[in-house]
Amino acid sequence: DAGVIQSPRHEVTEMGQEVTLRCKPISGHDYLFWYRQTMMRGLELLIYFNNNVPIDDSGMPEDRFSAKMPNASFSTLKIQPSEPRDSAVYFCASSRDRGRFGQPQHFGDGTRLSIL
Amino acid sequence: QKEVEQNSGPLSVPEGAIASLNCTYSDRVSQSFFWYRQYSGKSPELIMSIYSNGDKEDGRFTAQLNKASQYVSLLIRDSQPSDSATYLCAVTGSSASKIIFGSGTRLSIRP
Repeated sequence: DAGVIQSPRHEVTEMGQEVTLRCKPISGHDYLFWYRQTMMRGLELLIYFNNNVPIDDSGMPEDRFSAKMPNASFSTLKIQPSEPRDSAVYFCASSRDRGRFGQPQHFGDGTRLSIL
Repeated sequence: QKEVEQNSGPLSVPEGAIASLNCTYSDRVSQSFFWYRQYSGKSPELIMSIYSNGDKEDGRFTAQLNKASQYVSLLIRDSQPSDSATYLCAVTGSSASKIIFGSGTRLSIRP
Protein backbone atom coordinates (compact mmCIF):
# COMPACT_ATOMS: atom_id res chain seq x y z
CA ASP A 1 0.00 0.00 0.00
CA ALA A 2 1.48 3.35 -1.03
CA GLY A 3 2.25 5.81 1.73
CA VAL A 4 1.63 9.55 1.79
CA ILE A 5 3.17 11.09 -1.31
CA GLN A 6 4.45 14.65 -1.32
CA SER A 7 5.90 16.76 -4.11
CA PRO A 8 8.24 18.34 -4.74
CA ARG A 9 10.88 16.89 -2.39
CA HIS A 10 12.93 20.06 -2.57
CA GLU A 11 12.01 23.59 -3.61
CA VAL A 12 14.32 26.56 -3.83
CA THR A 13 12.79 29.84 -4.91
CA GLU A 14 13.23 33.55 -4.50
CA MET A 15 11.41 35.71 -2.04
CA GLY A 16 8.07 36.94 -3.35
CA GLN A 17 7.41 33.92 -5.55
CA GLU A 18 4.37 31.68 -5.16
CA VAL A 19 5.07 28.21 -3.80
CA THR A 20 2.70 25.25 -4.10
CA LEU A 21 3.25 22.04 -2.16
CA ARG A 22 1.28 18.93 -3.02
CA CYS A 23 0.14 15.89 -1.09
CA LYS A 24 -1.62 12.61 -1.86
CA PRO A 25 -2.85 10.91 1.33
CA ILE A 26 -3.10 7.18 1.91
CA SER A 27 -6.20 5.80 0.23
CA GLY A 28 -9.08 5.42 2.68
CA HIS A 29 -7.74 7.88 5.22
CA ASP A 30 -10.27 10.45 6.40
CA TYR A 31 -7.91 13.02 7.83
CA LEU A 32 -5.13 15.03 6.23
CA PHE A 33 -2.69 17.23 8.12
CA TRP A 34 -0.11 19.82 7.07
CA TYR A 35 2.86 20.44 9.38
CA ARG A 36 5.90 22.68 9.30
CA GLN A 37 9.14 21.70 11.05
CA THR A 38 12.04 23.98 11.95
CA MET A 39 14.88 23.62 14.42
CA MET A 40 13.59 26.53 16.46
CA ARG A 41 9.89 25.68 16.63
CA GLY A 42 9.81 21.92 16.13
CA LEU A 43 6.82 20.30 14.45
CA GLU A 44 3.89 22.70 14.11
CA LEU A 45 0.41 21.78 12.89
CA LEU A 46 -0.72 24.28 10.27
CA ILE A 47 -4.14 22.95 9.22
CA TYR A 48 -6.06 19.71 9.02
CA PHE A 49 -8.97 18.39 6.98
CA ASN A 50 -11.62 15.77 7.64
CA ASN A 51 -13.35 14.32 4.58
CA ASN A 52 -11.91 17.20 2.49
CA VAL A 53 -13.31 19.89 4.80
CA PRO A 54 -10.89 22.17 6.71
CA ILE A 55 -11.47 21.63 10.44
CA ASP A 56 -8.80 23.70 12.16
CA ASP A 57 -6.58 26.26 10.46
CA SER A 58 -5.50 28.05 13.64
CA GLY A 59 -1.88 27.09 12.98
CA MET A 60 -1.69 28.83 9.62
CA PRO A 61 0.80 31.63 10.30
CA GLU A 62 -0.80 34.37 8.21
CA ASP A 63 -2.89 35.13 5.17
CA ARG A 64 -0.01 34.33 2.85
CA PHE A 65 -0.68 30.66 3.57
CA SER A 66 -3.67 28.81 2.15
CA ALA A 67 -4.59 25.14 1.83
CA LYS A 68 -7.16 23.27 -0.20
CA MET A 69 -8.37 19.72 -0.51
CA PRO A 70 -10.50 19.47 -3.66
CA ASN A 71 -10.94 15.69 -3.34
CA ALA A 72 -10.05 12.77 -1.09
CA SER A 73 -6.76 12.06 -2.86
CA PHE A 74 -5.19 15.48 -3.23
CA SER A 75 -4.30 18.55 -1.18
CA THR A 76 -2.21 21.66 -1.74
CA LEU A 77 -0.52 24.13 0.56
CA LYS A 78 0.21 27.45 -1.07
CA ILE A 79 2.40 30.33 0.07
CA GLN A 80 2.00 33.62 -1.75
CA PRO A 81 4.13 35.69 -1.54
CA SER A 82 6.89 33.59 0.01
CA GLU A 83 9.40 35.02 2.50
CA PRO A 84 12.78 33.71 3.76
CA ARG A 85 11.24 32.92 7.18
CA ASP A 86 8.98 30.39 5.47
CA SER A 87 12.03 28.18 4.88
CA ALA A 88 11.35 24.87 6.62
CA VAL A 89 10.43 21.25 5.99
CA TYR A 90 6.73 20.87 5.29
CA PHE A 91 5.14 17.51 6.05
CA CYS A 92 1.80 16.12 5.02
CA ALA A 93 0.29 13.32 7.11
CA SER A 94 -2.92 11.31 6.98
CA SER A 95 -4.91 9.07 9.32
CA ARG A 96 -8.14 7.12 9.61
CA ASP A 97 -11.10 8.09 11.77
CA ARG A 98 -11.29 5.90 14.86
CA GLY A 99 -13.88 7.70 16.95
CA ARG A 100 -12.74 8.90 20.36
CA PHE A 101 -9.39 7.14 20.12
CA GLY A 102 -7.07 8.99 17.83
CA GLN A 103 -5.41 7.09 15.06
CA PRO A 104 -1.68 7.48 14.48
CA GLN A 105 -0.72 9.72 11.62
CA HIS A 106 1.41 8.53 8.74
CA PHE A 107 3.82 11.08 7.32
CA GLY A 108 5.05 11.77 3.82
CA ASP A 109 8.74 12.32 3.12
CA GLY A 110 8.30 16.09 3.33
CA THR A 111 9.15 19.05 1.13
CA ARG A 112 12.32 20.94 2.03
CA LEU A 113 11.57 24.56 1.16
CA SER A 114 14.23 27.24 0.88
CA ILE A 115 13.26 30.83 0.19
CA LEU A 116 16.20 32.98 -0.86
CA GLN B 1 3.28 25.31 30.21
CA LYS B 2 3.74 23.31 27.02
CA GLU B 3 1.04 20.75 26.29
CA VAL B 4 3.54 17.94 25.72
CA GLU B 5 6.95 18.18 27.35
CA GLN B 6 10.08 16.21 26.65
CA ASN B 7 13.70 16.66 27.65
CA SER B 8 15.47 17.79 24.48
CA GLY B 9 18.64 15.83 25.30
CA PRO B 10 20.93 14.73 23.88
CA LEU B 11 20.58 11.52 25.85
CA SER B 12 23.70 9.40 25.46
CA VAL B 13 23.40 5.68 26.17
CA PRO B 14 26.03 2.93 25.68
CA GLU B 15 25.28 0.24 23.13
CA GLY B 16 23.43 -2.69 24.67
CA ALA B 17 22.00 -0.66 27.56
CA ILE B 18 18.39 0.42 28.15
CA ALA B 19 17.42 3.86 26.87
CA SER B 20 14.60 5.54 28.79
CA LEU B 21 12.68 8.41 27.20
CA ASN B 22 10.10 10.38 29.15
CA CYS B 23 7.17 12.63 28.31
CA THR B 24 4.56 14.52 30.33
CA TYR B 25 1.33 16.00 29.03
CA SER B 26 -1.06 18.59 30.40
CA ASP B 27 -4.51 17.62 29.08
CA ARG B 28 -6.23 15.11 31.37
CA VAL B 29 -8.72 14.12 28.67
CA SER B 30 -5.99 12.78 26.37
CA GLN B 31 -6.86 9.24 25.27
CA SER B 32 -4.19 8.19 22.78
CA PHE B 33 -0.41 8.32 23.00
CA PHE B 34 2.23 7.73 20.37
CA TRP B 35 5.97 7.55 20.01
CA TYR B 36 7.56 8.53 16.72
CA ARG B 37 11.18 8.15 15.69
CA GLN B 38 12.74 10.70 13.35
CA TYR B 39 16.13 10.20 11.78
CA SER B 40 18.00 13.32 10.68
CA GLY B 41 16.60 14.56 7.38
CA LYS B 42 13.75 12.05 7.40
CA SER B 43 10.06 12.14 8.31
CA PRO B 44 8.60 10.99 11.65
CA GLU B 45 7.90 7.26 11.74
CA LEU B 46 5.42 5.68 14.17
CA ILE B 47 7.02 3.09 16.43
CA MET B 48 4.51 2.64 19.28
CA SER B 49 0.97 3.56 20.23
CA ILE B 50 -0.64 3.06 23.65
CA TYR B 51 -4.19 3.74 24.79
CA SER B 52 -4.54 2.30 28.32
CA ASN B 53 -2.55 2.44 31.55
CA GLY B 54 0.31 0.02 31.94
CA ASP B 55 2.99 -1.37 29.68
CA LYS B 56 2.89 -2.32 26.03
CA GLU B 57 5.78 -4.25 24.54
CA ASP B 58 6.80 -4.60 20.89
CA GLY B 59 10.15 -6.23 20.31
CA ARG B 60 12.86 -4.16 21.99
CA PHE B 61 10.43 -1.30 22.64
CA THR B 62 8.16 -0.89 25.67
CA ALA B 63 5.74 2.01 26.06
CA GLN B 64 4.50 2.83 29.56
CA LEU B 65 1.46 4.97 30.34
CA ASN B 66 0.33 6.43 33.66
CA LYS B 67 -2.73 8.62 33.13
CA ALA B 68 -2.99 9.60 36.80
CA SER B 69 0.49 11.11 36.64
CA GLN B 70 0.02 12.27 33.03
CA TYR B 71 3.21 10.53 32.09
CA VAL B 72 4.22 8.33 29.18
CA SER B 73 7.61 6.76 28.58
CA LEU B 74 9.46 4.66 26.03
CA LEU B 75 12.07 2.08 26.93
CA ILE B 76 14.46 0.72 24.33
CA ARG B 77 16.23 -2.47 25.40
CA ASP B 78 19.56 -3.63 23.98
CA SER B 79 20.13 -0.21 22.39
CA GLN B 80 21.77 -0.25 18.97
CA PRO B 81 23.58 2.54 17.09
CA SER B 82 20.68 2.46 14.62
CA ASP B 83 18.42 3.67 17.45
CA SER B 84 20.21 7.04 17.40
CA ALA B 85 17.49 9.48 16.37
CA THR B 86 15.08 12.04 17.74
CA TYR B 87 12.06 10.53 19.51
CA LEU B 88 8.82 12.49 19.44
CA CYS B 89 6.08 11.96 22.00
CA ALA B 90 2.60 12.70 20.63
CA VAL B 91 -0.72 12.94 22.47
CA THR B 92 -4.31 13.52 21.40
CA GLY B 93 -6.01 16.51 22.95
CA SER B 94 -9.69 17.29 23.39
CA SER B 95 -10.11 16.45 19.71
CA ALA B 96 -9.16 12.82 19.14
CA SER B 97 -8.28 13.57 15.54
CA LYS B 98 -5.60 16.15 16.39
CA ILE B 99 -2.23 15.04 17.74
CA ILE B 100 0.01 17.36 19.73
CA PHE B 101 3.71 16.66 19.39
CA GLY B 102 6.46 17.27 21.90
CA SER B 103 9.66 18.90 20.77
CA GLY B 104 11.50 15.57 20.83
CA THR B 105 14.41 13.97 22.67
CA ARG B 106 17.63 13.41 20.76
CA LEU B 107 19.02 9.95 21.58
CA SER B 108 22.60 8.96 20.84
CA ILE B 109 23.79 5.36 21.25
CA ARG B 110 27.54 5.24 21.70
CA PRO B 111 29.40 2.07 20.61
